[in-house]
Amino acid sequence: DTAVSQTPKYLVTQMGNDKSIKCEQNLGHDTMYWYKQDSKKFLKIMFSYNNKELIINETVPNRFSPKSPDKAHLNLHINSLELGDSAVYFCASSPSAGGAGSFFGQGTRLTVV
Amino acid sequence: GQQLNQSPQSMFIQEGEDVSMNCTSSSIFNTWLWYKQDPGEGPVLLIALYKAGELTSNGRLTAQFGITRKDSFLNISASIPSDVGIYFCAGQFVEGAQKLVFGQGTRLTINP
Repeated sequence: DTAVSQTPKYLVTQMGNDKSIKCEQNLGHDTMYWYKQDSKKFLKIMFSYNNKELIINETVPNRFSPKSPDKAHLNLHINSLELGDSAVYFCASSPSAGGAGSFFGQGTRLTVV
Repeated sequence: GQQLNQSPQSMFIQEGEDVSMNCTSSSIFNTWLWYKQDPGEGPVLLIALYKAGELTSNGRLTAQFGITRKDSFLNISASIPSDVGIYFCAGQFVEGAQKLVFGQGTRLTINP
């Protein structure tokens, strides 16, 4: 069983479109995250939810809207996609807030054309 | 902002050699983590360190949480081809941040 699973793995879309990425964890963790990895492989946190509550929002454009229907799921919706949004997006979870012991999903490679 | 400096950025070694990489910061950490990322995959946790001075091994990997709480190193002994990948340090700062900050990564390439 995959601990942190995100879908889709690849997403190619045109500028201006709206798209969603889904994430689920079966580890019973309280905290989930979205990270963005750019072309230089730099990993930066975007959002963090603890028990469905938003606790971190790292100055991400408001075109990005996370939603956590329950503590096992954290989805990311992106409106009006731009070329600069092309990156790999990783979902992660950890037992508690702070990130220690985080498990990562396989990533979603988003390409905006 | 709070930053981690990870070095070296890349390493080219021969199979069987030992590897050492480190991360430093001007701020104090209460947790250090080391991850490995294979191509097309997410980072996988290798070693977690929670106390200053802590030295932890995981097979051929050894990592230490620096005494000053501002640095950590990862050593890999007797490298093998499957060690190829990008290694990241990550840390949780003491002051308030409920998040991990990642280093820039060390890309390890092994020549057969």
